[in-house]
Amino acid sequence: GQQVMQIPQYQHVQEGEDFTTYCNSSTTLSNIQWYKQRPGGHPVFLIQLVKSGEVKKQKRLTFQFGEAKKNSSLHITATQTTDVGTYFCARWEVDVDEKLTFGTGTRLTIIP
Amino acid sequence: AAGVIQSPRHLIKEKRETATLKCYPIPRHDTVYWYQQGPGQDPQFLISFYEKMQSDKGSIPDRFSAQQFSDYHSELNMSSLELGDSALYFCASSLGTGGRETQYFGPGTRLLVL
Repeated sequence: GQQVMQIPQYQHVQEGEDFTTYCNSSTTLSNIQWYKQRPGGHPVFLIQLVKSGEVKKQKRLTFQFGEAKKNSSLHITATQTTDVGTYFCARWEVDVDEKLTFGTGTRLTIIP
Repeated sequence: AAGVIQSPRHLIKEKRETATLKCYPIPRHDTVYWYQQGPGQDPQFLISFYEKMQSDKGSIPDRFSAQQFSDYHSELNMSSLELGDSALYFCASSLGTGGRETQYFGPGTRLLVL
C-alpha cells in the first residue's frame, strides 16, 4: 500500500505550547488511525477516523479527518511532558489489504 | 487487563544464525500481526494470521517464516540472519481481522545481529 506522509518529521515545543502533526495521502483513504509510541515503547492505538470531515476529541487531543479523506491531523493543546513520543498515523484500505500501513511519524519532544 | 506478550524481549545473534520470536495474543484475540521497526523508522508490516491461517503478507523476507498455532500464539522464525535484520519486532493482536479492528501491540523483541 502507498505510504502516508507525515509532517513535520520532528517537533520540539516548550511545555504548554500547542502541537500539530499532519498526515497526507495522494489517494482517498478509507479510514485513518492514530498511534502514539513513547521512546522505547510500543505503538498504542489512540483513535480511528472513518467519516469525511470527522472530528474527535480526547481530552487535550483533537483528531480531524479531511473532507476529501486525503489528510488528517492530530492537535495537542497545552503540551505536557507526558506527550513526548512519536505519533503515527496509519491507514488500511477496505477490500485491498488487511494490513496497516504506518505513516512516517512525527517525533515530539517537550522542552520543560 | 492482559496484554500481548512477546518473548524474548531482547535477543543477540550472529550473522547466519537463526532466531525464533514468540507472541502470545490477548486472550480471545484470533488475529496476530508481525511488524518490523528499524531505528527511527515506522513499523513495517511483515505478516498476519487469522484463525491460524495466513491472512496477509507484507515485506517479509523469504528467510523468515511464521505460523499461528491452535492456541493462537504465533512464532516468527528467522533464518540466515543478516546485520540488517537488527530491529524491533512487534507483534499485535486483534479480535477479528482487517484494519478496522483495533490492534494491540506487544512490548516488542529487540533483535541485534552482530
